[in-house]
Amino acid sequence: NAGVTQTPKFQVLKTGQSMTLQCAQDMNHNSMYWYRQDPGMGLRLIYYSASEGTTDKGEVPNGYNVSRLNKREFSLRLESAAPSQTSVYFCASSEYVILSSGANVLTFGAGSRLTVL
Amino acid sequence: GQQLNQSPQSMFIQEGEDVSMNCTSSSIFNTWLWYKQDPGEGPVLLIALYKAGELTSNGRLTAQFGITRKDSFLNISASIPSDVGIYFCAGLGGYGSARQLTFGSGTQLTVLP
Repeated sequence: NAGVTQTPKFQVLKTGQSMTLQCAQDMNHNSMYWYRQDPGMGLRLIYYSASEGTTDKGEVPNGYNVSRLNKREFSLRLESAAPSQTSVYFCASSEYVILSSGANVLTFGAGSRLTVL
Repeated sequence: GQQLNQSPQSMFIQEGEDVSMNCTSSSIFNTWLWYKQDPGEGPVLLIALYKAGELTSNGRLTAQFGITRKDSFLNISASIPSDVGIYFCAGLGGYGSARQLTFGSGTQLTVLP
């Protein structure tokens, strides 16, 4: 099925360990995003890539790095994991970064649940 | 950043009942979006609203863009078990960049048989 694929689905880390969350989309979208979802809070944007070759900070970028590897793939890296980074991470994509049109919607992956001990 | 207040936080209803949930903001939005998240999945767009006062339906779902542009509501009629999930509102401000998309905290809906 076409869509956004995230790996891994689950991961447990110890404080200080590093890891990379992978995301790939097969819809030929230009823009890709990483969000985190915490209990009782809405989705918060970590980083986004409006187009291949560009990345920008979102609302909560501290402690994360991203790489737009090519048009399909956008990875999120935690260099030194902290318990505060325990969360569910969602990757999303859209044809363009401007969303004020019915023709351009965010498509989300199934999420990656990360626990930092 | 902008804040969205979504209520209620959770609802337990009987199958067949109607449901209403809403979002309010202290800021004006140009677009309101409603998403549903099934357990273990990512959010999926249900309805998008682009004009103040707009009323839009998608099957048993109806959503409205408040005339003040600071609120929106979602109604579900004749609920069924597959309506279970978390419903999120999201408001889009400014010139419509995804960077300006703010999500509500969600309404957890449970439908009892």
